[in-house]
Amino acid sequence: GAVVSQHPSRVICKSGTSVKIECRSLDFQATTMFWYRQFPKQSLMLMATSNEGSKATYEQGVEKDKFLINHASLTLSTLTVTSAHPEDSSFYICSAEGVAGQEDTQYFGPGTRLTVL
Amino acid sequence: QKEVEQNSGPLSVPEGAIASLNCTYSDRGSQSFFWYRQYSGKSPELIMSIYSNGDKEDGRFTAQLNKASQYVSLLIRDSQPSDSATYLCAVRDKAAGNKLTFGGGTRVLVKP
Repeated sequence: GAVVSQHPSRVICKSGTSVKIECRSLDFQATTMFWYRQFPKQSLMLMATSNEGSKATYEQGVEKDKFLINHASLTLSTLTVTSAHPEDSSFYICSAEGVAGQEDTQYFGPGTRLTVL
Repeated sequence: QKEVEQNSGPLSVPEGAIASLNCTYSDRGSQSFFWYRQYSGKSPELIMSIYSNGDKEDGRFTAQLNKASQYVSLLIRDSQPSDSATYLCAVRDKAAGNKLTFGGGTRVLVKP
């Protein structure tokens, strides 16, 4: 149980384009989803916290207009990197926190490696 | 600012030995503690969670928590080459919105 998927696993795009990443909890309902970014040889940095049906809460320094988050259902959250630039190239990882039985534990998706040319 | 500190390593251990990883945290309000393992190029996977003082064992892994000393550790017994990875300590405070604060990770190398 507690499986989280992400799609796509890898994406290469040109500078200026927008990229959408999906995060799904496959076998449980996620009350909260988190989006992280990880640069090489660094730890995970939380970008935003997403609750179903409400606006995401962004961490300090994360541009909400650049990183659009939508959490439309208890099993799906999306992160859209708008007008991507090479400095946005990173490993983006989502995690999901469950309802009853899996509360208080975050389960991570496999990550999406974004390369912006 | 809440901090979680880990020795970056690498921690080199021979196969079959015990690997001991340490983590300290600054926020006394922290309530939940987690150890994640992350292989290179992959996302973290949960190994252990611990909530109360003392030891918690799961297979070859033992987590130890000492809230008075603000210290949590992970022991890996009978270390295998497949245990070579980066181990991330994460701390959570519900009052802070259930966010996890991660340490920088300890890289472990198990040599055959």
